Amino acid sequence: DQQVKQNSPSLSVQEGRISILNCDYTNSMFDYFLWYKKYPAEGPTFLISISSIKDKNEDGRFTVFLNKSAKHLSLHIVPSQPGDSAVYFCFAGGTSYGKLTFGQGTILTVHP
Amino acid sequence: DGGITQSPKYLFRKEGQNVTLSCEQNLNHDAMYWYRQDPGQGLRLIYYSQIVNDFQKGDIAEGYSVSREKKESFPLTVTSAQKNPTAFYLCASNPTGPLNQPQHFGDGTRLSIL
Repeated sequence: DQQVKQNSPSLSVQEGRISILNCDYTNSMFDYFLWYKKYPAEGPTFLISISSIKDKNEDGRFTVFLNKSAKHLSLHIVPSQPGDSAVYFCFAGGTSYGKLTFGQGTILTVHP
Repeated sequence: DGGITQSPKYLFRKEGQNVTLSCEQNLNHDAMYWYRQDPGQGLRLIYYSQIVNDFQKGDIAEGYSVSREKKESFPLTVTSAQKNPTAFYLCASNPTGPLNQPQHFGDGTRLSIL
């Protein structure tokens, strides 16, 4: 039972354009969401987070949007850069719920 | 320079042997985690520990064991009972867990069973 899903295994974007990575979840007990970025043969690194009391959080080129009614979050990267090419994982957790769940990951490739 | 150290980076073992993966952190974090990454399946939680001498099973704990005798160390043993142990294993930690603090990850150990 995959409670957090990233339905796009890969995304290809031109440098300078917007990258939009999507994540859907099924459990309404999740109230905290994070995005991690991972390069090959390395561990993931934290990118940006959002709690369920917000619908948007911005940090430089990265913005995360949360739509609680649709149980959907997205990560926007504007403008995309070749160095953004990596695997992006969304993560969901619950402050009163012991589950920690990662999505399957989306491979982002930004072409020069 | 604080961080999480996983060793070795690559590990080869014969089928039927137990193998222990090392994870050490000098971040003074209370909580530590073990994940397994397989192609197309993201990261799946094996075990986690919120405090010394205490740990809980994650989603795929069967065939694995852990110990948490010291705050900075959380070794994972892959036993012969684990049916498909070949994978990339990631250790992580955060200051208080498992609630809403971002986890810091090591660079992983790739285990291959010959």
